[in-house]
Amino acid sequence: ETGVTQSPTHLIKTRGQQVTLRCSSQSGHNTVSWYQQALGQGPQFIFQYYREEENGRGNFPPRFSGLQFPNYSSELNVNALELDDSALYLCASSLKTGSTEAFFGQGTRLTVV
Amino acid sequence: AQRVTQPEKLLSVFKGAPVELKCNYSYSGSPELFWYVQYSRQRLQLLLRHISRESIKGFTADLNKGETSFHLKKPFAQEEDSAMYYCASYEAAGNKLTFGGGTRVLVKP
Repeated sequence: ETGVTQSPTHLIKTRGQQVTLRCSSQSGHNTVSWYQQALGQGPQFIFQYYREEENGRGNFPPRFSGLQFPNYSSELNVNALELDDSALYLCASSLKTGSTEAFFGQGTRLTVV
Repeated sequence: AQRVTQPEKLLSVFKGAPVELKCNYSYSGSPELFWYVQYSRQRLQLLLRHISRESIKGFTADLNKGETSFHLKKPFAQEEDSAMYYCASYEAAGNKLTFGGGTRVLVKP
């Protein structure tokens, strides 16, 4: 059984650029959620994808978008990067949507300069 | 919107002493609550969930709807319990987990 993997592990981008972060879900999991964790804070829910459709969204602007692929892997895209987007981005997969256990990846550390 | 509050940023206890991590939530319905833990250089992982009512690694957490709390307790802390702990609440409308700000636990020898 493979766990949740995220790539890249670290990334530096310039303000105004666009970024794509990737996540491979745990084997057999069809639901992926993305979180933003700023320094010293808890993770904040961005959105969830279930069977390739957005299935819930937190308080993030539309420039945060995502995709889920038929193999249940996922991407998080952020357009027009701002300095405040600097954070650790976590991906979590679960067996199904609903309050089932979420398995987290190691995260991607994004720095916007 | 749901809110989860962990009032302590840092808890420092000696090995063998009791430890209690506070968590308060704001939710008018029937909440589903979790404790997640992150050990040094490891990923965030589920510690326990209130519906299972089990003890994991000696930790227990009781849901108190009157006080809207879900405090995590362990009677005798061990050095390996040193970690970051997050309380989280699941919201069905939106399929989202709302996390608290986290409490760092340091167990001294």
